[in-house]
Amino acid sequence: GQQLNQSPQSMFIQEGEDVSMNCTSSSIFNTWLWYKQDPGEGPVLLIALYKAGELTSNGRLTAQFGITRKDSFLNISASIPSDVGIYFCAGQIVGNQGGKLIFGQGTELSVKP
Amino acid sequence: GAGVSQSPSNKVTEKGKDVELRCDPISGHTALYWYRQSLGQGLEFLIYFQGNSAPDKSGLPSDRFSAERTGGSVSTLTIQRTQQEDSAVYLCASSLAPKTQYFGPGTRLLVL
Repeated sequence: GQQLNQSPQSMFIQEGEDVSMNCTSSSIFNTWLWYKQDPGEGPVLLIALYKAGELTSNGRLTAQFGITRKDSFLNISASIPSDVGIYFCAGQIVGNQGGKLIFGQGTELSVKP
Repeated sequence: GAGVSQSPSNKVTEKGKDVELRCDPISGHTALYWYRQSLGQGLEFLIYFQGNSAPDKSGLPSDRFSAERTGGSVSTLTIQRTQQEDSAVYLCASSLAPKTQYFGPGTRLLVL
């Protein structure tokens, strides 16, 4: 089935550092989403992007919908310990495919105080 | 308001037994999705319900998997004759429109 390539697979950073992760796809999506998952929990939506080229911020998080509609990145500025978790990108085609999400493999973020 | 809830939170079963997993979506949400997450992996789409339309079953891995949604609300995912490779976290999500999906906490299934 469809897959997204998400990188890096894991990151170990110092508190206060900035973080960047990205996703690429061979398919076009009309929506890109970024989720965070804490242990034992379901994913929680961080940012949703609906237009090619769109750049959206949510606090210390910034994400962009690539102009080709085949990629997206997420940046986290000035990381803090509670940023620890697994971050997933997801692409969505809204329409006749019903809106199901195609997920990347995840980026596991560790923040050292 | 209440979010998506799932039950049980954990399920241990023996190979060959049937299991039923339940999802209570957010009230009023017309769309309901099931995903599976294997250890250390991203989420894999299983099935999608939208209103009264026929469900999109394209992600179900085998005919041992089935799901239903009664009255446009609660959904049950059934796995018959469970196998060890069915061990995973099964996540349910709901949405008001086919855009923002809100996930439940998942059911952790272990098949021995």
